[in-house]
Amino acid sequence: EIVMTQSPATLSVSLGERATLSCRASQSVVGNLAWYRQIPGQAPRLLIYATSTRATDIPARFSGSRSGTEFTLTISSLQSEDVAVYYCQQYNNWPLTFGGGTKVEIK
Amino acid sequence: EVQVVESGGGLVQPGGSLRLACAASGFPFSRYDMHWVRQVSGKGLEWVSGIGTAGDTHYPASVKGRFTISREDAKNSLYLQMSSLRVGDTGVYYCARGKSDTFDLWGQGTMVTVSS
Repeated sequence: EIVMTQSPATLSVSLGERATLSCRASQSVVGNLAWYRQIPGQAPRLLIYATSTRATDIPARFSGSRSGTEFTLTISSLQSEDVAVYYCQQYNNWPLTFGGGTKVEIK
Repeated sequence: EVQVVESGGGLVQPGGSLRLACAASGFPFSRYDMHWVRQVSGKGLEWVSGIGTAGDTHYPASVKGRFTISREDAKNSLYLQMSSLRVGDTGVYYCARGKSDTFDLWGQGTMVTVSS
């Protein structure tokens, strides 16, 4: 099973500032990595798939990148609606696995 | 409206069984893979099963042999039959539409509580 490790556990960022979230895979997942945002009280929502492709209707302030088995989600200018828990997910191998999440809060 | 709606959650004793259902609408259900993902109270996400358009199924080790995913395309419906339930199976169960094994449409979830 591929283990996904997210850091930090909690990230405090001022509104309008950049947020950088990390996700590391225990082995290669190539580019088969997705990101989700879960606003409190809501279901998760797909933000990014294939490392860097934004899902439908996802604003351009969200971007994804990769270096080997390290993946990064960047929110270029944090908005109030971005207060949420963010999860990464690999879909290169069965079983599909998620990271433990990064909680983004307002500083 | 494009949506999936879960039902069937509830309270069940350890060792018991429960069947969840997911009703899909607004998209060609038969052309999509479908999945169940769960979230233990206040914690992270765990994928628990997936079914392809041809009926091929996948499970993680934690539920294999206890959970069975199925679909009924004529009714635009997805199911999860859960047996030998454990306290650790407690959580919110989400139905999710598959997009190359990511999840691009989620329901609001149904709560399953396993407790004596």
